[in-house]
Amino acid sequence: GAVVSQHPSWVICKSGTSVKIECRSLDFQATTMFWYRQFPKQSLMLMATSNEGSKATYEQGVEKDKFLINHASLTLSTLTVTSAHPEDSSFYICSASPPPDKRGEKLFFGSGTQLSVL
Amino acid sequence: AQTVTQSQPEMSVQEAETVTLSCTYDTSESDYYLFWYKQPPSRQMILVIRQEAYKQQNATENRFSVNFQKAAKSFSLKISDSQLGDAAMYFCAYRSRGSSNTGKLIFGQGTTLQVKP
Repeated sequence: GAVVSQHPSWVICKSGTSVKIECRSLDFQATTMFWYRQFPKQSLMLMATSNEGSKATYEQGVEKDKFLINHASLTLSTLTVTSAHPEDSSFYICSASPPPDKRGEKLFFGSGTQLSVL
Repeated sequence: AQTVTQSQPEMSVQEAETVTLSCTYDTSESDYYLFWYKQPPSRQMILVIRQEAYKQQNATENRFSVNFQKAAKSFSLKISDSQLGDAAMYFCAYRSRGSSNTGKLIFGQGTTLQVKP
């Protein structure tokens, strides 16, 4: 089956630094990718929808200047947490959407990135 | 806007027994998909089962089956012959099917399932 690769799996950084997380669809072209955030024992919260070649669409309450999303190719989307602070510590998960004619099929998830900001 | 509600934060089942996880949703759309995802301690999201709203027949996948009640907007998951490996957090999710939709998933709050040996 299709695979979505997410890196890194975990990252520890100092407060004030920036962290980049990559999400790659390995065997299909993902025109749309999604970024979720998950706190311990809670649900996945959609942060933004990433569209190849255009600006990301952010959910209400998500700071677009803090969480920079780039989707420069059909197989890669990146999330950069800028000037990270301890409250940004969380588990971030990406997912890649198949083409519109196959949207009813699986939405493939990356394995997630645990970010810890000291 | 669509919403998904899971009213059982935690459930427990004895190994080999059957358990049902509840999910309700709200939407004004007539065509959509519903999913159950499993998130084990590894935190990898795993698709358990999928239901297309226009299909009346309830989806089944081996020991997993759903009770889809479209009019009641209810979508419960039944796990038969529960196994220790079924212990995980389970999420109910909704996805629009219209051509203008982005394909995003809307998740419920999740239900943590404990399986007792």
